[in-house]
Amino acid sequence: AQSVTQLDSHVSVSEGTPVLLRCNYSSSYSPSLFWYVQHPNKGLQLLLKYTSAATLVKGINGFEAEFKKSETSFHLTKPSAHMSDAAEYFCVVILGRTSYGKLTFGQGTILTVHP
Amino acid sequence: EAEVAQSPRYKITEKSQAVAFWCDPISGHATLYWYRQILGQGPELLVQFQDESVVDDSQLPKDRFSAERLKGVDSTLKIQPAELGDSAMYLCASGGRAKSSYNEQFFGPGTRLTVL
Repeated sequence: AQSVTQLDSHVSVSEGTPVLLRCNYSSSYSPSLFWYVQHPNKGLQLLLKYTSAATLVKGINGFEAEFKKSETSFHLTKPSAHMSDAAEYFCVVILGRTSYGKLTFGQGTILTVHP
Repeated sequence: EAEVAQSPRYKITEKSQAVAFWCDPISGHATLYWYRQILGQGPELLVQFQDESVVDDSQLPKDRFSAERLKGVDSTLKIQPAELGDSAMYLCASGGRAKSSYNEQFFGPGTRLTVL
């Protein structure tokens, strides 16, 4: 069973319009959730993380995500897309408290931003 | 700004040959991770070190893959013999001491392996 599911493999938006990247998770424990971004030929970079504090998490570059336990979701949003946001985004979960920080990645969502 | 270094950045090899990848973590980081990222998929953990000890290698194909971190600093991942299905990006990450809580992992640029 998939532990983290990214509902869209590709998302295309116009510059200046909102961005929504969807993620659902399954975990027996209260999860730790993250979003990472991967630009071409660059390493993965942490955008934001949820670790059981505030349910609305703000990250870098204007991104934010809301943890909704009832919906088992952790969708990533940004009010206004910029050309530099074009990249691949990964929703990531730590499955259990004894996992020693092991990250489980979703399949990724490629974000395309049109002028 | 400190970064995780990996080399080589690109490697092309023929099947049945041996390949090795090197990773130098951020100075002082106790944990080191090797991930494999197949095209179109998210990274998958192969092995995790805490200092020089292996914490998790449950997903490492041990018949052909090996990893070491002898002095608890840099690390080498080896594949022998390489197979066509090993073509992927191999990512290294490092972080602070990970026990039951998360600590941020910093990723290197990766080594892209192509097996012909």
